[in-house]
Amino acid sequence: QSALTQPASVSGSPGQSITISCTGTSSDVGGYDYVSWYRQHSGKAPKLMIYEVSNRPSGVSDRFSGSKSGNTASLTIAGLQAEDEADYYCSSHTSSSTLVVFGGGTKLTVL
Amino acid sequence: QVQVVESGGGVVQPGRSLRLSCAASGFTFSNYVMHWVRQAPGKGLEWVALISYDGSKQYHADSVKGRFTVSRDNSKNTVHLQMNSLRGEDTAVYYCGGSGSNYRIDYWGQGTLVTVSS
Repeated sequence: QSALTQPASVSGSPGQSITISCTGTSSDVGGYDYVSWYRQHSGKAPKLMIYEVSNRPSGVSDRFSGSKSGNTASLTIAGLQAEDEADYYCSSHTSSSTLVVFGGGTKLTVL
Repeated sequence: QVQVVESGGGVVQPGRSLRLSCAASGFTFSNYVMHWVRQAPGKGLEWVALISYDGSKQYHADSVKGRFTVSRDNSKNTVHLQMNSLRGEDTAVYYCGGSGSNYRIDYWGQGTLVTVSS
């Protein structure tokens, strides 16, 4: 069982927007602004898409945005494209002895 | 350009040891915290270990604590993961990654597969 809870799957049509949630506790998501989001295409390495809740690394499309409210962080993808179809993982720093925790991942299907 | 390349994976019997290596280039290695993250077949990502810029601090997930040890050599831009007393549940692709700050992983390697089986 993952420390952070994500929906197993979400879907949307091209051009639509979707949001993926990531729920933790006050010991991780709620306690720190160190939430990151990663995209992983099938058989590939993860790629950083969002860091520190809402910051985009250089080169990442502004269609990707992040936010946080309480113990839940969210990733929103606007203007869905076929290339967005992938698995998405959130992660957070945690005050526990395991410094970093991941969510279980969300499979995004572009219909 | 940035390159992170893991090596050392393979098939190993339960209870045996394996040492993974990760070679990095294209960024100032000594300025980056380094992580190991693993992914069991068909499963999600699991953080395994972190080592500080200068190697003075190491942190390991509870699931591997006492069995795995992370180390680094800044003179060779490499990081290692020594894995002892391996179990079937350690079977996974092991990724190495570099973090500029604050627990995010900016750069990822392509991973190396470790299979623990008799």
